[in-house]
Amino acid sequence: QQPVQSPQAVILREGEDAVINCSSSKALYSVHWYRQKHGEAPIFLMILLKGGEQKGHDKISASFNEKKQQSSLYLTASQLSYSGTYFCGTGIIQGAQKLVFGQGTRLTINP
Amino acid sequence: EAQVTQNPRYLITVTGKKLTVTCSQNMNHEYMSWYRQDPGLGLRQIYYSMNVEVTDKGDVPEGYKVSRKEKRNFPLILESPSPNQTSLYFCATRDRDWSSKNIQYFGAGTRLSVL
Repeated sequence: QQPVQSPQAVILREGEDAVINCSSSKALYSVHWYRQKHGEAPIFLMILLKGGEQKGHDKISASFNEKKQQSSLYLTASQLSYSGTYFCGTGIIQGAQKLVFGQGTRLTINP
Repeated sequence: EAQVTQNPRYLITVTGKKLTVTCSQNMNHEYMSWYRQDPGLGLRQIYYSMNVEVTDKGDVPEGYKVSRKEKRNFPLILESPSPNQTSLYFCATRDRDWSSKNIQYFGAGTRLSVL
């Protein structure tokens, strides 16, 4: 039931791009993306609802393909501040109060 | 300023000694939940609450209790803690309905060690 994230870890140089994928075995209504710095609370990035929308926030954007039950998070021209662990959380029905999170993708940005 | 306050931040206890982790929010949110985070497993939901006196189980509720007597508070209770409950715990809160604009806020976390 837990969505699967890939890759598990990625190391980049500042300015490079990254893609993090989140796949579910269940039909999804919503996908939520969070970033967590070591020892800190997860911080909300964006939520995507059923409808195949793509959203953007600065140089971070995401897509949601409900037919494939997948979401992807795109980080372009990565900055050092993008380092952290990224989690996707999935909701399977509208108004679902249970969010199931993936195991996380650790992103390291080096100068 | 939006705040989700958890206490304590760190706790070391022994098996069987009842403990409570408190969570308080100042945003008048209806929805609150508890997660535990373990290496390699991500965040797993323990319990959630849709409103005062309304609570429901998440994915890993065994060994935990919650109560929601006031809208702002959602304590997590471990009646008889065991070593497998050693973990990092997060409280989270948001408005009732999911929408593109709703943000779920997390508390700073409580690191619990059960010896």
